[in-house]
Amino acid sequence: KQEVTQIPAALSVPEGENLVLNCSFTDSAIYNLQWFRQDPGKGLTSLLLIQSSQREQTSGRLNASLDKSSGRSTLYIAASQPGDSATYLCAVRNTGNQFYFGTGTSLTVIP
Amino acid sequence: DTGVSQNPRHKITKRGQNVTFRCDPISEHNRLYWYRQTLGQGPEFLTYFQNEAQLEKSRLLSDRFSAERPKGSFSTLEIQRTEQGDSAMYLCASSFGSVNTEAFFGQGTRLTVV
Repeated sequence: KQEVTQIPAALSVPEGENLVLNCSFTDSAIYNLQWFRQDPGKGLTSLLLIQSSQREQTSGRLNASLDKSSGRSTLYIAASQPGDSATYLCAVRNTGNQFYFGTGTSLTVIP
Repeated sequence: DTGVSQNPRHKITKRGQNVTFRCDPISEHNRLYWYRQTLGQGPEFLTYFQNEAQLEKSRLLSDRFSAERPKGSFSTLEIQRTEQGDSAMYLCASSFGSVNTEAFFGQGTRLTVV
C-alpha cells in the first residue's frame, strides 16, 4: 500500500520568506501527484497537478517538482504572504482510482 | 457555481440515527470520489464512481455505509446507525476523463455524532 509522508508537520515563517514543503511516497509507480491547500474546517483547493512524466509545474508563486524514481516531491512557495497560511496536502495516484494523502504541513506566515 | 457542491455543510446527529449527505460534482465530470478526514489526518478514500457505476470501495466503508450515484450525476452517501467514530469531515471530489486529470474537492460535510 502506498504510504505518503509530509515533512515538516508544521512550519512558521516570517512574511516574505521563500519556503519548501516536502512530500515523499513509497511506491514510485504513480500516475500523478497533486498538491492541495486546506484552510481550517474547509475543503481542499487544488494547487498543482504533476503527471508522472513531468519534472515540475508552476503556478504563480508556487512551483512543484517531482522525482518519481526517488519518491519525492517538493512544493516551493516564493515570497510567502500571511494569506498563504493553511495546511498543504500532497496526494499521489497509483494504478487504480484513489488518491493517497499525506497528513499535511501546517504553514503559518507571520506578518 | 462551477465547483463541487456538498450539502449539508454541517450535521449533528445522535448516535444510532441515519444520515445522508449529498454531493453535486462539476458538470460533466464522470469520476466521483468520497473521502473521509479526521482531525489532523489526511483524507482517506472511501469509494469511487465512474458515471453511475461504483467501481471501488475501501475496507473503511463498512456495511453501515452506502453510496449511490443515480444517472451518473449527483451522489449520496448514507451512514446508518451512526457511531461516535463516524464523526469526521466527509469530502467529495470529481474529475473528468482519465486518471491523469485534476481532481476538484468540495467544501465537505462536517458530521458530529453525539
